[in-house]
Amino acid sequence: DTGVSQDPRHKITKRGQNVTFRCDPISEHNRLYWYRQTLGQGPEFLTYFQNEAQLEKSRLLSDRFSAERPKGSFSTLEIQRTEQGDSAMYLCASSLERFFGPGTRLTVL
Amino acid sequence: SQQGEEDPQALSIQEGENATMNCSYKTSINNLQWYRQNSGRGLVHLILIRSNEREKHSGRLRVTLDTSKKSSSLLITASRAADTASYFCATDGPRCEKLTFGTGTRLTIIP
Repeated sequence: DTGVSQDPRHKITKRGQNVTFRCDPISEHNRLYWYRQTLGQGPEFLTYFQNEAQLEKSRLLSDRFSAERPKGSFSTLEIQRTEQGDSAMYLCASSLERFFGPGTRLTVL
Repeated sequence: SQQGEEDPQALSIQEGENATMNCSYKTSINNLQWYRQNSGRGLVHLILIRSNEREKHSGRLRVTLDTSKKSSSLLITASRAADTASYFCATDGPRCEKLTFGTGTRLTIIP
């Protein structure tokens, strides 16, 4: 257990539905990162926060994706109008060493 | 896009043998890190080596870094069945903002 938690651990949804994931980082870490990992691949960077400020967003983060980190604590990642191609493991990490949470596995039917 | 490439893509060895995995990357780095991932689980941070370091040890792990060749290796000595997992290298740039992963090596330890 790295101290980073994610909720839910699994999410199955129908195409077109919206989903929201939550990440709770290690409390004293001010950097928080989101990654996406598809089967057989390494994780790919999506976005990161320094406290509450979102400082960089990958081109992978289409306009259907939005991430927030109110008050610089937990973070949420929302996907609107899900597509089957969004099926992946969504990973959250905190600090420069990137202590990763267990991930949320999304399946879009 | 993936920054690095791990080599080999898959490796099977007998328990007790040493396992060596290699990673190559393309651009200048600040740090290089190795992670382990068990099937369907999150990533576990193993070791970080800075660009001005050449070798680092942690228990049964030994990591080397050759910035002139843009490559790193991870050696696991006296392998155990519990070492069965995928291993990824990851690099970040000068501002340590974005960690870029390789494609991973799938290691299987045969009891």
